[in-house]
Amino acid sequence: GAVVSQHPSWVICKSGTSVKIECRSLDFQATTMFWYRQFPKQSLMLMATSNEGSKATYEQGVEKDKFLINHASLTLSTLTVTSAHPEDSSFYICSARGAYNEQFFGPGTRLTVL
Amino acid sequence: GDSVTQMEGPVTLSEEACLTINCTYTATGYPSLFWYVQYPGEGLQLLLKATKADDKGSNKGFEATYRKETTSFHLEKGSVQVSDSAVYFCALHRGSGNTGKLIFGQGTTLQVKP
Repeated sequence: GAVVSQHPSWVICKSGTSVKIECRSLDFQATTMFWYRQFPKQSLMLMATSNEGSKATYEQGVEKDKFLINHASLTLSTLTVTSAHPEDSSFYICSARGAYNEQFFGPGTRLTVL
Repeated sequence: GDSVTQMEGPVTLSEEACLTINCTYTATGYPSLFWYVQYPGEGLQLLLKATKADDKGSNKGFEATYRKETTSFHLEKGSVQVSDSAVYFCALHRGSGNTGKLIFGQGTTLQVKP
């Protein structure tokens, strides 16, 4: 149980385009999902907390107009990187909160912006 | 503010050696504590958790005890395998309800050699 999927697993796009990443909880309902960014050999950086049916809460320093988050259902949250640039290249990981405040993580999405 | 500190890596061990990865935390109250493992190119997997003082979390031969007096949650395994090679993250849960989130340590890389 407690499986979280992400799609796509990797994406390459041109600078200036937008990319959407999906995060799904496959076997449970997730009121709260999280989006992280991870740079090589570093820890996870929380970008935002996504609650179903309400606006996401962004961490300090994260541009909400650039990283659009939508959590329209209890099993799906999406992250859209708008007007992507090479510095947005990173590993993006989502997670869903469980009953004991643990988080179940997706496998991650590798974004490369050319 | 709340924080998690892990021992620096990489930790290199021979197969069947004993493992200890130190983790200490700073927090108000009694947060839930977690260990996550990340294999190359993948997202994080929950390894074990402890929700209150003196709890021992265990899974796949790994264990960690929530020590309130020393604010520690060290990860241990009696005999490591090559397949245990990964990055290990210690984390605590801060906050409550929809505002709660995980605070991660910097991660410790474990390399197990045959």
